[in-house]
Amino acid sequence: AQKITQTQPGMFVQEKEAVTLDCTYDTSDQSYGLFWYKQPSSGEMIFLIYQGSYDEQNATEGRYSLNFQKARKSANLVISASQLGDSAMYFCAMREGRLHASGGSYIPTFGRGTSLIVHP
Amino acid sequence: AAGVIQSPRHLIKEKRETATLKCYPIPRHDTVYWYQQGPGQDPQFLISFYEKMQSDKGSIPDRFSAQQFSDYHSELNMSSLELGDSALYFCASSPRQGPYNEQFFGPGTRLTVL
Repeated sequence: AQKITQTQPGMFVQEKEAVTLDCTYDTSDQSYGLFWYKQPSSGEMIFLIYQGSYDEQNATEGRYSLNFQKARKSANLVISASQLGDSAMYFCAMREGRLHASGGSYIPTFGRGTSLIVHP
Repeated sequence: AAGVIQSPRHLIKEKRETATLKCYPIPRHDTVYWYQQGPGQDPQFLISFYEKMQSDKGSIPDRFSAQQFSDYHSELNMSSLELGDSALYFCASSPRQGPYNEQFFGPGTRLTVL
């Protein structure tokens, strides 16, 4: 079963408007983290925002906010005041489990991504 | 701030050749991850290292091997290259003590197998 589902393969938004990118996840862990990454056409993966499963408040980072609805297992990314430079692929990812004292890597599972195009 | 460095950025190889990709993590990051991202695909985890030991293994083909050296840089060795190995290869690093084990990605190496 897909652990991370991004149902929108492509989204279009007008410059300066807000846009919501959907992400639902599947886990039986109580402790997990949710991440959003941006991948422009140049290819690099840019970390945007993180939400921990025990965080009571929705994460915000500048124009990015994460609409975390734990009961629905959704972690939608909201981009306010879209800019042309926001045009990119956006990946939702999840890390399950706790960080043990011995270390370990906690591999995130990525969704298939959503392609966002911002129109002038 | 220092970022993850990958070299080379672009690599073109013929079928059945070998390739070595290098990754230099952010200073004081002791965990390194390798991902493969095919065209239009999400990143697929290959392998990770913590303190120079293999930590986790994902969908890494037997033709590939990797290691982490004493200076924490890592190399991904790919042999008997196939057309399907053409992809963007990412290295990411994270600090073990990071509050949420965020991964910082390098710019990627774009491998083209002809």
